[in-house]
Amino acid sequence: KNEVEQSPQNLTAQEGEFITINCSYSVGISALHWLQQHPGGGIVSLFMLSSGKKKHGRLIATINIQEKHSSLHITASHPRDSAVYICAVTLGYGNKLVFGAGTILRVKS
Amino acid sequence: NAGVTQTPKFRILKIGQSMTLQCTQDMNHNYMYWYRQDPGMGLKLIYYSVGAGITDKGEVPNGYNVSRSTTEDFPLRLELAAPSQTSVYFCASSYTGGGPGAGNTGELFFGEGSRLTVL
Repeated sequence: KNEVEQSPQNLTAQEGEFITINCSYSVGISALHWLQQHPGGGIVSLFMLSSGKKKHGRLIATINIQEKHSSLHITASHPRDSAVYICAVTLGYGNKLVFGAGTILRVKS
Repeated sequence: NAGVTQTPKFRILKIGQSMTLQCTQDMNHNYMYWYRQDPGMGLKLIYYSVGAGITDKGEVPNGYNVSRSTTEDFPLRLELAAPSQTSVYFCASSYTGGGPGAGNTGELFFGEGSRLTVL
């Protein structure tokens, strides 16, 4: 079992829909990261969380440390949100990051 | 600020050849990483560094070497290229103020990636 599991693996939505991507982890962490990767493109950090909730524009990220779970929400989705969304955790011991396999999101107009 | 700069963006190698992927950051970050991303797979850590002169192995270090002689530079060396090393490579950096044992809690900055094909 991977230390970081994301769901769903693939997601297709209509423009304007509310989207949720989930991330569960099985290890102690000191931080959780949400990243975005556009097709053929680089990787951009969206959020870094150690507790609670963060919001940036139409994106919201939450984390529940007790349940070892985080969610990334996109409100009023748009075709330009189409990308791979990656969850990564900083392990509570040492200095390593562990990545989920990513969620491929496609938003249709 | 240039952020994290990787070169080259594309490279084709023959089996057994050697090459170095360059990575430079101008943000004075202490943490630097090299990852590889295979099709349909998550990022896998090759090597990382928590500061100049300090490097450590990640999940998939075999076939690679790194050095960190300065804060800015973290080159990745492939000594004897093999087809299994065909992948997209990403360099990343971050800053955490807690020192080497604190764990990386800084925001991550990635380079644009280097697509390497070994034939």
